[in-house]
Formats: sequence, structure tokens, C-alpha cells
Amino acid sequence: GAGVSQSPRYKVAKRGQDVALRCDPISGHVSLFWYQQALGQGPEFLTYFQNEAQLDKSGLPSDRFFAERPEGSVSTLKIQRTQQEDSAVYLCASSPFRGGELFFGEGSRLTVL
Amino acid sequence: QKEVEQNSGPLSVPEGAIASLNCTYSDRGSQSFFWYRQYSGKSPELIMSIYSNGDKEDGRFTAQLNKASQYVSLLIRDSQPSDSATYLCAPAGGNEKLTFGTGTRLTIIP
Repeated sequence: GAGVSQSPRYKVAKRGQDVALRCDPISGHVSLFWYQQALGQGPEFLTYFQNEAQLDKSGLPSDRFFAERPEGSVSTLKIQRTQQEDSAVYLCASSPFRGGELFFGEGSRLTVL
Repeated sequence: QKEVEQNSGPLSVPEGAIASLNCTYSDRGSQSFFWYRQYSGKSPELIMSIYSNGDKEDGRFTAQLNKASQYVSLLIRDSQPSDSATYLCAPAGGNEKLTFGTGTRLTIIP
């Protein structure tokens, strides 16, 4: 497709379960970002990749959160031992160059029960 | 001080009037500035970008940037009901990472 694709769109997890969220960026986009958006808030930065290199992971809230982009294209955000406070929409965005505008996917809505 | 500050609103504007949205930011190294629109339940979509001091116009939208005052604004002329959404201000900092404000919720009243 032409846009950023995220899956699953909706995920319900029991507290303590591991989840994996996938992002397929726009073809050719070198920069990839993950944001977390809680209800009524703006997107909060989690982590950033330039090709396969993770250049900034300062926004990851705990060591339960892990992201990878092994071949510089598809990225996966993994959350281990999910907690209720992890419930949010996880947005993936890609950009054709550093400092450029971001193109967002539809998001993955995670609900932890 | 928050990195990006916006009035959360809600801001109510009559149809056909001008809506004015404001944003201040703390990172003096910011070089690029973006305004995103987010409809309820949807992801943000870019509506304006601005890189230089002054005004930039695109259709009914005008972005204004004042780097000395660390201030960026968005004006929407001839407001339409379809403009009702949350507007997010996002400067790109010196590390080229976009930091978003909490957004201003705009409602256009028919």
C-alpha cells in the first residue's frame, strides 16, 4: 500500500501477557518513529530509527518495552508483561528524511485488562 | 515547563469565522515546525509545515512562526464544520525528533 500500515489495529491483552505491534512504513522512508498516545493527550515519543539503527530510545517507559527494525524496513514494538497503564494507542510514523514531516499509520489500540 | 504548550481548549468558533491556534515551544534549536490535525479516533495528518520566520499560507490555512519568541500559530479562515478536530503543534528539535503538544480541540459551530 501507499501509506504506513500497522497491525493489529486492536489488541486486547490480559495483564502480564506479551504483545507485539508491527509497523510497515512507506517504501523508501528511512526514518521510523513510534509514539504512544493516551486518551486526550498528544502523541508521546517512544523511539526512533534511522534505517536499521535505533538512534533514540529515550521515550521507552520501561525495560518492558523493546523495539527493533532489523532490515531497515518493517519495525516491531514489543511490550513484555503488559500492565494496565500500557493501554493506549501506539502510533507508527515514517519520514523520507531526518527532520522531515511524519506520515502516520492508523495506530494500534492496546487495551490491557 | 513543558516542551510544547498549547491551549487545550475547547475552542469554539462560529462557521465562517477565523480560528486562531497558538503554540509555544522551549527548544531554541528547533528548525522545523508542523501542524497536524487529528479527528477523533483517527491518526494525525499533516496540514502545514513552516521552516522560516514569518507567514506561510496554504488555502484557508496560514502558519506563523516567530523563532525569537519561540511561538508558532495556525490561522484557519472561513472555518467549516469539517475543521472541527484537535490540532497538534509539533516542533522538530535539534535532534530532529518531533515533540507534540497536547493539542487544541477546535469546534466549529454551524
